Amino acid sequence: DAGVTQSPTHLIKTRGQHVTLRCSPISGHKSVSWYQQVLGQGPQFIFQYYEKEERGRGNFPDRFSARQFPNYSSELNVNALLLGDSALYLCASSLEPTSGGVYEQYFGPGTRLTVT
Amino acid sequence: AQSVTQLDSHVSVSEGTPVLLRCNYSSSYSPSLFWYVQHPNKGLQLLLKYTSAATLVKGINGFEAEFKKSETSFHLTKPSAHMSDAAEYFCVVTDLTGGGNKLTFGTGTQLKVEL
Repeated sequence: DAGVTQSPTHLIKTRGQHVTLRCSPISGHKSVSWYQQVLGQGPQFIFQYYEKEERGRGNFPDRFSARQFPNYSSELNVNALLLGDSALYLCASSLEPTSGGVYEQYFGPGTRLTVT
Repeated sequence: AQSVTQLDSHVSVSEGTPVLLRCNYSSSYSPSLFWYVQHPNKGLQLLLKYTSAATLVKGINGFEAEFKKSETSFHLTKPSAHMSDAAEYFCVVTDLTGGGNKLTFGTGTQLKVEL
């Protein structure tokens, strides 16, 4: 079975531009989460979506937005890029976020964004 | 808020010797805890998880972790290190506030395995 897939693998953008990152979850998974991993640090939670609804938002500015589609794939959008947005963006999928149990999240390989 | 503290940023061991990566957690309720591994230029791979069942959890590649509530610890161990174990390891706690299931990561421990 295919794991979590993300596109593109690498991306170089200029300050002020916007970017769209894409994620396809594992088949059967309805929840997608996004994380930002700056070099040398642990991943930081950005968003979680379940059944196309936002279930959680991390401490990120409004320049960051996301959505989930009927097929459960997801997009992360970042507007007005800053140098500090350079990072590895990770997508993770899981079964529903919580239903009396905790389901592990499975991560994709990430999109490496470089802002110049 | 849920949080984890990884006590060592770097650990170096010789191949064939035991591995110990330390993690303490802080949680206002019974936590769910994970260890993930990240090899260079790769995504994150789940090693094991604790969700209030057995306190000794066995994972992949010979790793295991023991949940100790009295010490608020969830240390990762392996009896014998292999060169392929060299990677960054993250201790992770689940935060269920707000109806979601977000993961809060520690700062990571870089494991080096020497011949």
